Amino acid sequence: DAGVIQSPRHEVTEMGQEVTLRCKPISGHDYLFWYRQTMMRGLELLIYFNNNVPIDDSGMPEDRFSAKMPNASFSTLKIQPSEPRDSAVYFCASSFRNEQFFGPGTRLTVL
Amino acid sequence: AQSVTQPDIHITVSEGASLELRCNYSYGATPYLFWYVQSPGQGLQLLLKYFSGDTLVQGIKGFEAEFKRSQSSFNLRKPSVHWSDAAEYFCAVGAGDFGNEKLTFGTGTRLTIIP
Repeated sequence: DAGVIQSPRHEVTEMGQEVTLRCKPISGHDYLFWYRQTMMRGLELLIYFNNNVPIDDSGMPEDRFSAKMPNASFSTLKIQPSEPRDSAVYFCASSFRNEQFFGPGTRLTVL
Repeated sequence: AQSVTQPDIHITVSEGASLELRCNYSYGATPYLFWYVQSPGQGLQLLLKYFSGDTLVQGIKGFEAEFKRSQSSFNLRKPSVHWSDAAEYFCAVGAGDFGNEKLTFGTGTRLTIIP
């Protein structure tokens, strides 16, 4: 298996633009997680899905952030409009039962 | 609410020396505990996990961790480090039906290996 796939690996955008991050989980995994990693706040869970249904989005920082999982093999995290403080590494992870497998992350820079 | 403290931000160890990374947790029930490793530019990889049973847990790459309920600790150890162990290490406590749906991570410990 190729593992969790994230795209793009790097994204540079300007403040106010819409950003879409993509994730393909490992086949057969029924949980999908989105995390954000920054120097100031460390690793934070933003939202997670079970069987494509959002279960807990309490970590989503504000309404500018949204996440979808239209099917078992694809999820998106969208930021609209983006702000410089959104600059971070965003990780997607998937799991079946009790081990999460992380993707390589997307490094987002908002100028 | 659950929380994790990793008191050491940065540790430097000589290659071949032993290693212990500290982790303290706060959780109201029996904790599900994890150690992850992150190499530069990479995602996180699970080293080991504790859910129940034997309090000494063996993981990959020669790592082990010991759960001590009385001290609320889950320290990571390795008897002899290799240069390839240089990375950032994260301790986490989990909650949820399977113990890992809501992971709370510590701030991480950066490990540097000197020849």
